[in-house]
Amino acid sequence: EAGVVQSPRYKIIEKKQPVAFWCNPISGHNTLYWYLQNLGQGPELLIRYENEEAVDDSQLPKDRFSAERLKGVDSTLKIQPAELGDSAVYLCASSPGQESGTEAFFGQGTRLTVV
Amino acid sequence: AQSVAQPEDQVNVAEGNPLTVKCTYSVSGNPYLFWYVQYPNRGLQFLLKYITGDNLVKGSYGFEAEFNKSQTSFHLKKPSALVSDSALYFCAVRDLSGGGADGLTFGKGTHLIIQP
Repeated sequence: EAGVVQSPRYKIIEKKQPVAFWCNPISGHNTLYWYLQNLGQGPELLIRYENEEAVDDSQLPKDRFSAERLKGVDSTLKIQPAELGDSAVYLCASSPGQESGTEAFFGQGTRLTVV
Repeated sequence: AQSVAQPEDQVNVAEGNPLTVKCTYSVSGNPYLFWYVQYPNRGLQFLLKYITGDNLVKGSYGFEAEFNKSQTSFHLKKPSALVSDSALYFCAVRDLSGGGADGLTFGKGTHLIIQP
């Protein structure tokens, strides 16, 4: 069974440019998360989807960040415009659902460097 | 609000010795607790979880963790450390008081270094 797939693995952009990350969750997983991981820190939740609905986006900086999960499968996270402080690893994770208490499965992440 | 504390940035253990990586949590209700491991340039890999039942849970690669409700702790343990266990370990919690509606909250991580 394929795991959570993220692309690209690495991205280098100049500040003020837009950037987008893509995530394909495990088949059948209704819950999808985007996390931000700064160097030396634990992952921090940006947004959580239940199917196509964003049920928790309280930590998403909405002035520059946006996300979508059309059709409740793949998801895209966008930053426009990017700032130097956005340099981090962006992790996508999925799980069958919140109620079951099952663990989240993580992708390898996209390492963003803003120069 | 839910939170996790991992008091040690780094733990050094000699190969073959037992290891413990500490984790304490804070939630309003009952917790779901998780341990993940992260190798360099890799995503997080699930090790084990506590949902309910026995306080001692066993997971992948010989790891186990003990849930202690009175001390609000969920320490990760292994009887005999391997050099290959060297990695970054994260404890995470989900509060069930809101029906488990929140995402996972992670600690800052603990670097585990196993010395040959």
